[in-house]
Amino acid sequence: DSGVTQTPKHLITATGQRVTLRCSPRSGDLSVYWYQQSLDQGLQFLIQYYNGEERAKGNILERFSAQQFPDLHSELNLSSLELGDSALYFCASSVEPTERDGNTIYFGEGSWLTVV
Amino acid sequence: AQKITQTQPGMFVQEKEAVTLDCTYDTSDPSYGLFWYKQPSSGEMIFLIYQGSYDQQNATEGRYSLNFQKARKSANLVISASQLGDSAMYFCAMREAYSGYSTLTFGKGTMLLVSP
Repeated sequence: DSGVTQTPKHLITATGQRVTLRCSPRSGDLSVYWYQQSLDQGLQFLIQYYNGEERAKGNILERFSAQQFPDLHSELNLSSLELGDSALYFCASSVEPTERDGNTIYFGEGSWLTVV
Repeated sequence: AQKITQTQPGMFVQEKEAVTLDCTYDTSDPSYGLFWYKQPSSGEMIFLIYQGSYDQQNATEGRYSLNFQKARKSANLVISASQLGDSAMYFCAMREAYSGYSTLTFGKGTMLLVSP
């Protein structure tokens, strides 16, 4: 158990809909990351938050947004869903990342999203 | 150019044998970190081992060791005494200083099958 909690574990929804994925980081971790894993794109970094502030942005679509709340949990909102958004979405967390400290990024079990 | 290259799509090994999973990386950043993760069929992403670019010694974690050859830009994972439960997808990943150590770039993975 990595200590990173993601809900829901599985989600099936229709095209055009909106879903919210939730993540609770490990106790003490201030950084939260979101990754998308799909068969064609592999593992792609979406976005990172550190202590409530957006820190880095990757290949995140405009239809997707995220935030980190004062209690450090994070939500990834996916809207106007398309078939191609079907993927495994991971949340990960770490302490403040530096080359030496925070050298471990722990992943949650992922949220399987199927868009039909 | 790919930042992380895993040239072995699949590897087969017998139980109790050692196996090496290859990973080469490409970066011009003098400071970076290298990770290996295991993803079993259930989907979760399990952290295995970390190597910092300035670490003088190869990282070890139980049966896992990282054969870090900086000049060759390789970071191979060695699993000693393979077990049936080691059957999974293995990903090599890198985090670079230029991104504030924020983002992990993953390779495409190697599927390891351990047979009795």
